[in-house]
Amino acid sequence: DAKTTQPTSMDCAEGRAANLPCNHSTISGNEYVYWYRQIHSQGPQYIIHGLKNNETNEMASLIITEDRKSSTLILPHATLRDTAVYYCIVIPNTGNQFYFGTGTSLTVIP
Amino acid sequence: GAVVSQHPSRVICKSGTSVKIECRSLDFQATTMFWYRQFPKQSLMLMATSNEGSKATYEQGVEKDKFLINHASLTLSTLTVTSAHPEDSSFYICSAREASAADTQYFGPGTRLTVL
Repeated sequence: DAKTTQPTSMDCAEGRAANLPCNHSTISGNEYVYWYRQIHSQGPQYIIHGLKNNETNEMASLIITEDRKSSTLILPHATLRDTAVYYCIVIPNTGNQFYFGTGTSLTVIP
Repeated sequence: GAVVSQHPSRVICKSGTSVKIECRSLDFQATTMFWYRQFPKQSLMLMATSNEGSKATYEQGVEKDKFLINHASLTLSTLTVTSAHPEDSSFYICSAREASAADTQYFGPGTRLTVL
């Protein structure tokens, strides 16, 4: 079962940074934090993942707290196309299955 | 890279018929593929894990005789919904994990099944 907690919904103004929080207080030392997003009626899209260090790629940045109990996905300049449901998933590094929670429905407002 | 396709994208069938959905990894080899189901306004629910050349592992509550999974090659997995009924109408999504890329799963675009 999913071991993460995310807000149900968030709004963000277009062009502003979107900061999506995720709580994973029971995370173990060998578990990674993965972020995906799902635009309506499409398959989920991989965004980013990390273990301990902050990560950045062309889509987003992932900030993981020092105690690893929570993380924040940052979309630096949100666009209308970023409107989607964002899922935070925690899994061990042994190739286990993904169990999706309810995610955060992000709406980017013009 | 890391593209996963599904076919068909939409299918409508009569109750009692069987429907096959294909999932292909187009530019990588996938030792493991996963099948999910998503009902309207709900999250993805994992149905089964499929390893190439072996039997699929089904999640609790998923009928293995109703949802037949075959993973005959490193790039293809199929899900067959046997004797489909209206309650099987859903969005079916597959994902594939690249053999050399740890745990990152890449998802297909999904298949919308409607059973009349």
